[in-house]
Amino acid sequence: DVKVTQSSRYLVKRTGEKVFLECVQDMDHENMFWYRQDPGLGLRLIYFSYDVKMKEKGDIPEGYSVSREKKERFSLILESASTNQTSMYLCASRVQGRAFFGQGTRLTVV
Amino acid sequence: DQQVKQNSPSLSVQEGRISILNCDYTNSMFDYFLWYKKYPAEGPTFLISISSIKDKNEDGRFTVFLNKSAKHLSLHIVPSQPGDSAVYFCAARRAGNMLTFGGGTRLMVKP
Repeated sequence: DVKVTQSSRYLVKRTGEKVFLECVQDMDHENMFWYRQDPGLGLRLIYFSYDVKMKEKGDIPEGYSVSREKKERFSLILESASTNQTSMYLCASRVQGRAFFGQGTRLTVV
Repeated sequence: DQQVKQNSPSLSVQEGRISILNCDYTNSMFDYFLWYKKYPAEGPTFLISISSIKDKNEDGRFTVFLNKSAKHLSLHIVPSQPGDSAVYFCAARRAGNMLTFGGGTRLMVKP
């Protein structure tokens, strides 16, 4: 079974803080993704990576950056957290058509 | 511009009956479609998929139908069980191997 692990289930951060969300997968997948899930909007792609050190913007990259120094780890960075970044963040790794998701991180920015 | 839409935010069904979840898309270049199921406080899990060259795919109680001319797909669950209560997302694969997700439908199966 593919395992995708996100470092935190719940986070509360203050406006303006720098926030790191970590994701690790154990199946040597090259493709990794960060989504955010908001009611009625489904899952929206923030950033993705095809390989180590490679990163591509998704549909809503503003206010975010990413880091992929090792194949198994893909980090999402909020440079200066804002209240509109309060959301559920989901990391995924993918092989062929199927994406495997982590359990999600519920981030609240106050 | 939402290219994948699930127009029903919620659906309530009696246990044992059929659940039908619908999904519409606008991009004719989508070539592969998937359904994911999500429980609260968990990540989505893959349920079933269908290639654009097929019109039906079945896996146990779950069947996905694709109508390419109408740009519509549906997920049928028969018989529905209380454990099926979750949010269901449809997703479509586009160029660059990206997945575009719909807004989700919350299914409630009543005992």
